[in-house]
Amino acid sequence: NAGVMQNPRHLVRRRGQEARLRCSPMKGHSHVYWYRQLPEEGLKFMVYLQKENIIDESGMPKERFSAEFPKEGPSILRIQQVVRGDSAAYFCASSPTRGETQYFGPGTRLLVL
Amino acid sequence: SQQGEEDPQALSIQEGENATMNCSYKTSINNLQWYRQNSGRGLVHLILIRSNEREKHSGRLRVTLDTSKKSSSLLITASRAADTASYFCATEPGGGNKLTFGTGTQLKVEL
Repeated sequence: NAGVMQNPRHLVRRRGQEARLRCSPMKGHSHVYWYRQLPEEGLKFMVYLQKENIIDESGMPKERFSAEFPKEGPSILRIQQVVRGDSAAYFCASSPTRGETQYFGPGTRLLVL
Repeated sequence: SQQGEEDPQALSIQEGENATMNCSYKTSINNLQWYRQNSGRGLVHLILIRSNEREKHSGRLRVTLDTSKKSSSLLITASRAADTASYFCATEPGGGNKLTFGTGTQLKVEL
């Protein structure tokens, strides 16, 4: 049973470009969470999705950030017109049901030049 | 202080010694989880303790939870160099969606 998978592992973008981060949850998990970690800090919640639905996006910046979890395929975190402050590690986690252990992927490290 | 704040921020011990890390939080919780993160890597789930539990063991790990004090502790016994990592507590409020992480304790175990 493969764990949570994220790709790419590293992503370099120039200011103004778009970044697309993908997350495939563990088999049998329909709940996906995205977190952001700035250097030397803990993880900060961004968004919680269940298949085709955004359940809680209270941690998402109001502009440029969006997330989806379609019926088929991975969850996508999309950052439009990236700025240097978006440079961080973005982690995805999944759980089988609400309120259970969240299992984390290896993260995508985004660097904005 | 923030929800899920660990203490100390950094801890350096000798191999074989025990390491204790503490976590304090502010709001009511459904459960509290401890994670380990090696430098530049993802998070590894260590243990989950529910709000109605007081103590839990897993191998060399022992976690306690005191909901009246809104605090938890993680004890690693007989530490090894491979335990060197950052340790985070994460709280989940009732309703079960997002985790709130502290800033972590950086543990260094020296040979």
